[in-house]
Order: sequence, then structure tokens, then C-alpha cells
Amino acid sequence: KQEVTQIPAALSVPEGENLVLNCSFTDSAIYNLQWFRQDPGKGLTSLLLIQSSQREQTSGRLNASLDKSSGRSTLYIAASQPGDSATYLCAARGTQGGSEKLVFGKGTKLTVNP
Amino acid sequence: SAVISQKPSRDICQRGTSLTIQCQVDSQVTMMFWYRQQPGQSLTLIATANQGSEATYESGFVIDKFPISRPNLTFSTLTVSNMSPEDSSIYLCSVGSGKADYTFGSGTRLTVV
Repeated sequence: KQEVTQIPAALSVPEGENLVLNCSFTDSAIYNLQWFRQDPGKGLTSLLLIQSSQREQTSGRLNASLDKSSGRSTLYIAASQPGDSATYLCAARGTQGGSEKLVFGKGTKLTVNP
Repeated sequence: SAVISQKPSRDICQRGTSLTIQCQVDSQVTMMFWYRQQPGQSLTLIATANQGSEATYESGFVIDKFPISRPNLTFSTLTVSNMSPEDSSIYLCSVGSGKADYTFGSGTRLTVV
């Protein structure tokens, strides 16, 4: 059974800092891994999707990497801004039995202080 | 990516009543997914809804409590039945398949009093 863990659970940084959020998964047989952002009381916004054959994806100030063999992914945020404050979730999509479902970590709550 | 309209966005309900949540997708999709997010927790999959067949429920979730309809390829509903305060959560629908991003509705924040 796939389990996804995110470290740290919460992070507070001053504006302008570069930061890394970590995600690990127990079953390396994944189809892809997706990073989401969730604002308080809201739905999820997709940030980056990394296919199992890829090593990284970039979008603006965001860069996500994937190391399937070690069961790890990182989300790098450059030059953080107060508007980046949110909870960041990673989710692994499995391949076993043709399952399409995502397994989520508990998230990292990020606060960027002005 | 697909765009999902979910409603209601929030509701406060009396215990013992039922609430039906609707999700409308702007394109035809084979599978839709329903998730629950309890306060301070991550998302847990409730069930997968396929058009033309019974929904597939995850362990710990049953059809009597969370009946799902999927009348066509762009629409689905989730009903939370006989509600108790423990059902207070955010409920989200999602679509995604193949190599595409999974997208989510904006969520329904349910409070049961």
C-alpha cells in the first residue's frame, strides 16, 4: 500500500528566501507525481506534474524533481513571496491494478513573512 | 486541463439530514473521483465514479452513507447521508487520466451542527 510523507509539516520563512519541500513515497511503482497548492478552505491548484520517466519539471519560480529509485520528490521555490503562503501537497499516482487514484501526503504549510 | 464547477461551495447542515454535492466538468471524462478532507488532514479518496456502472468505494466508505450518481460523462453527484458532526469536512471532486494533470473542483466546505 502506497504511503506518502511530507517533511516538514510546517515552514515559516522570510520573503525572498529559496526553500525546498520534501515528499517521499514507499512504492516506487508510480505512474507520475503531482504537486498541488491549497489555500485555506479552498480546492487544489495543480502546480507541477512529473511523469515517472522524467527527472524534473519547471514552472516559473517552481522546480520539482523526482527520484523514483529512492522514492523522493522535492519542490523548490525560488525567491519566495508572501503570496506563496499556502499548504503544498504532493500526490503519487499508482500503477498497480490499473489504479488511477492519487495518494496524498499530509502537506507542508508554508508561511512567507513580508 | 478540464475545468470543474462544484457546488455548493459551503453549507451548514443539521445532523440527521443529507446534502448532495454536484460536480460539472467542461469535457467528457471517463472517471471522476470524490475525496474527503477532514480538518487538518490530507485528502482521502471516497470513491471512483464511472459512467454507466456502480461507483467503486474505498475501504471505510459505503454506498449507503455516500451514494454517488454518474448519469453522464460530464456530471456526478455525491450525497452525504444521515450526517453527524464527524462528517464536517471539505469534499472535493476530481478528474484525471492517462498522463494528464488531475484537476479538482473548488471544494464544498460542510459543517454539521
